[in-house]
Amino acid sequence: GNSVTQMEGPVTLSEEAFLTINCTYTATGYPSLFWYVQYPGEGLQLLLKATKADDKGSNKGFEATYRKETTSFHLEKGSVQVSDSAVYFCALSAQGGSEKLVFGKGTKLTVNP
Amino acid sequence: DAGITQSPRHKVTETGTPVTLRCHQTENHRYMYWYRQDPGHGLRLIHYSYGVKDTDKGEVSDGYSVSRSKTEDFLLTLESATSSQTSVYFCAIRAGLGGRDTQYFGPGTRLTVL
Repeated sequence: GNSVTQMEGPVTLSEEAFLTINCTYTATGYPSLFWYVQYPGEGLQLLLKATKADDKGSNKGFEATYRKETTSFHLEKGSVQVSDSAVYFCALSAQGGSEKLVFGKGTKLTVNP
Repeated sequence: DAGITQSPRHKVTETGTPVTLRCHQTENHRYMYWYRQDPGHGLRLIHYSYGVKDTDKGEVSDGYSVSRSKTEDFLLTLESATSSQTSVYFCAIRAGLGGRDTQYFGPGTRLTVL
């Protein structure tokens, strides 16, 4: 079946450090891939997405590239801020749209000043 | 903001009692979803709807039922709540904002079953 595996946290970084959160997936066909972010006490917000191989999604300084050859969609940011502290979820939609999302377990990021 | 509200936002109930959670949207989206979020599991799909009176089961549907009598409202019912249903419940809609279909989430309902 379809599944998403993301690196386990928690991840703790200092402000201005480089961030990578790994995400790999298993799916049939050509899924769409997503990163969602959940700030403390809030719902999930779409951070970025990519709908086909080699697409790069980007938003708020975060980037992720859809790599079909390695079935990966790693999240990166060059310089994190305290305000980036949150839980990050990788997800896929196997139908290519968003009829059903399959989520990873989430990675909690804490950024210290 | 996809115009999604959930009610109640917090609820404490006792084992064996019925509970209904409401998701309301203001933008006439056809698809609506209910997820639960638990530590170590991420989000898991409970039920979804693809139109008025059209619903289907998700990954963890046992113990839950849903109804959608109007486009704007999607109700999740726990017929007889159990402690294992203590969770945070999120509603989502599918929308074509930004040019491609994506799911957008409500603020969540924290349910505690004692």
